Amino acid sequence: AQRVTQPEKLLSVFKGAPVELKCNYSYSGSPELFWYVQYSRQRLQLLLRHISRESIKGFTADLNKGETSFHLKKPFAQEEDSAMYYCALMNFGNEKLTFGTGTRLTIIP
Amino acid sequence: DAGVTQSPTHLIKTRGQQVTLRCSPISGHKSVSWYQQVLGQGPQFIFQYYEKEERGRGNFPDRFSARQFPNYSSELNVNALLLGDSALYLCASSYGGWGKEPQHFGDGTRLSIL
Repeated sequence: AQRVTQPEKLLSVFKGAPVELKCNYSYSGSPELFWYVQYSRQRLQLLLRHISRESIKGFTADLNKGETSFHLKKPFAQEEDSAMYYCALMNFGNEKLTFGTGTRLTIIP
Repeated sequence: DAGVTQSPTHLIKTRGQQVTLRCSPISGHKSVSWYQQVLGQGPQFIFQYYEKEERGRGNFPDRFSARQFPNYSSELNVNALLLGDSALYLCASSYGGWGKEPQHFGDGTRLSIL
């Protein structure tokens, strides 16, 4: 069975400090992984997906198949990064997303 | 662009009742997926519909059913409501339904069971 684990429910980081949100997964096939973000009073939205290899709002994430991880990183945190972050895995061939439990990131001014 | 719209925004029901939730996808999107999000958890997949056919089903009892209409809007029905059905129900739409395009989420319907 596929599973996504986000070990930190809460994470507080000072403004300007590096951010790393952890995500580990278990999946028997070749995974497609995503990070979704939900800012206060906004809907859930896609932040980035691993196949696009883009940097969105300064965030990057590298898929490490050996460690089955897809950690989200940003070198310098900004106050507007405070939000709920979800790591998700998609089944190949359909659009079922399996989400982790989420990490609430708070940036301390 | 109105985005994915869901109705109603809030709903209160009692145990044993039935409920219908509605979702209108982004114009041009043919795939609709439903998710249940219990407080403190990530969204959990319930159904995916594409071109009016069920493409995927999550681990939910038969009390949960859905359908998609010719205009690609969708309804989620839940029968014999239980206290544990209290949750935020999210709808997401995409164009192709195969995961190549990103899914766009609505604001959700918050269902409370008394």
